[in-house]
Amino acid sequence: AAGVIQSPRHLIKEKRETATLKCYPIPRHDTVYWYQQGPGQDPQFLISFYEKMQSDKGSIPDRFSAQQFSDYHSELNMSSLELGDSALYFCASSLGLGVGEAFFGQGTRLTVV
Amino acid sequence: DQQVKQNSPSLSVQEGRISILNCDYTNSMFDYFLWYKKYPAEGPTFLISISSIKDKNEDGRFTVFLNKSAKHLSLHIVPSQPGDSAVYFCAASVEGTYKYIFGTGTRLKVLA
Repeated sequence: AAGVIQSPRHLIKEKRETATLKCYPIPRHDTVYWYQQGPGQDPQFLISFYEKMQSDKGSIPDRFSAQQFSDYHSELNMSSLELGDSALYFCASSLGLGVGEAFFGQGTRLTVV
Repeated sequence: DQQVKQNSPSLSVQEGRISILNCDYTNSMFDYFLWYKKYPAEGPTFLISISSIKDKNEDGRFTVFLNKSAKHLSLHIVPSQPGDSAVYFCAASVEGTYKYIFGTGTRLKVLA
């Protein structure tokens, strides 16, 4: 069965550079969630989208922005990268309304040097 | 402010025995709870969920119990197998919102 696809799997950027992470949800899923997991930490909710509209916002820095496109894929744009942004970034998708299983992608490991 | 807490960072259990992972939450608005299993460098994998209208949900070797009055849930794995060794995250959500709040995780090690 198709799963959540994230790209790239690994990304190395320098401080102050920009990064774009992409997430392709499971077909027919209309909700996308972004999480950040730092070393030794639990996944922290960043932001979510339902039907291409931002629905909930968590601890997402102002330097980050995200959107969900008409084909339901989502992109997380990160600017002015800092060393502390190095983390695993997970995307998850579900079929609406915040109830039911959210299925996670493999994650993008971002390393800022 | 940690709304979902897993107070045991690690747990070791002998193969064949029962593993019990615990999770506490503070937000009484949470009405849907999930358990995820995570291997290193992989995304969390959904295991089992429970709605607040139930107090138990069973799926094969995995059973989740919910005690709403105590704001506590637990995951039982019976019998435990070495392949169950992973980090287990408890997550909670409020119906109609679009975010899952994760606990800090419990690393389970099943000894052969």
